[in-house]
Amino acid sequence: NAGVMQNPRHLVRRRGQEARLRCSPMKGHSHVYWYRQLPEEGLKFMVYLQKENIIDESGMPKERFSAEFPKEGPSILRIQQVVRGDSAAYFCASSPDKNQPQHFGDGTRLSIL
Amino acid sequence: QQQVKQSPQSLIVQKGGISIINCAYENTAFDYFPWYQQFPGKGPALLIAIRPDVSEKKEGRFTISFNKSAKQFSLHIMDSQPGDSATYFCAASKAAGNKLTFGGGTRVLVKP
Repeated sequence: NAGVMQNPRHLVRRRGQEARLRCSPMKGHSHVYWYRQLPEEGLKFMVYLQKENIIDESGMPKERFSAEFPKEGPSILRIQQVVRGDSAAYFCASSPDKNQPQHFGDGTRLSIL
Repeated sequence: QQQVKQSPQSLIVQKGGISIINCAYENTAFDYFPWYQQFPGKGPALLIAIRPDVSEKKEGRFTISFNKSAKQFSLHIMDSQPGDSATYFCAASKAAGNKLTFGGGTRVLVKP
């Protein structure tokens, strides 16, 4: 039973480029969450999605960041025109419903040159 | 009102000793309090979780104590082992599947 799969594991971008991070939830899980972790800090919530719907995006920066979870395929976190401050580990978690625990993937480490 | 404060930032314990990590929260609407363990290069893994209707929950060597009136909860790792060396995060949310508010983490080192 595969866990939450994130790819790529490492992503390097130059300032101004776009970064696309993918997350495939655990089988049977329709709820996806994205978190960001800066070095030596805790995880910060970004966005909560259920198939085709954004449930809570209160942690998403207002500009350059977007997320989707289409009916088919993985959830995508998209960062446009990346800046150095976007360098972080981005974690995805999934759960089968809103009352079940969240299980995390191993993250994507984004480095901005 | 959304903060979760965690202490200490780091902890060194001898093999066989007890590791104690404390967290305090502000939002009284929180009703789910999980602890996660994270190894370098890996994602957080759920260790144990508690809800405010119980004051203590034990799973193996891991115990959560919860004090609702003080808005505090703690993780005790009994008989600590070198393999327990990791970063531990407390978190809180309004439901298990709702957004988690994390503490800043505690780096635990267990010396053999």
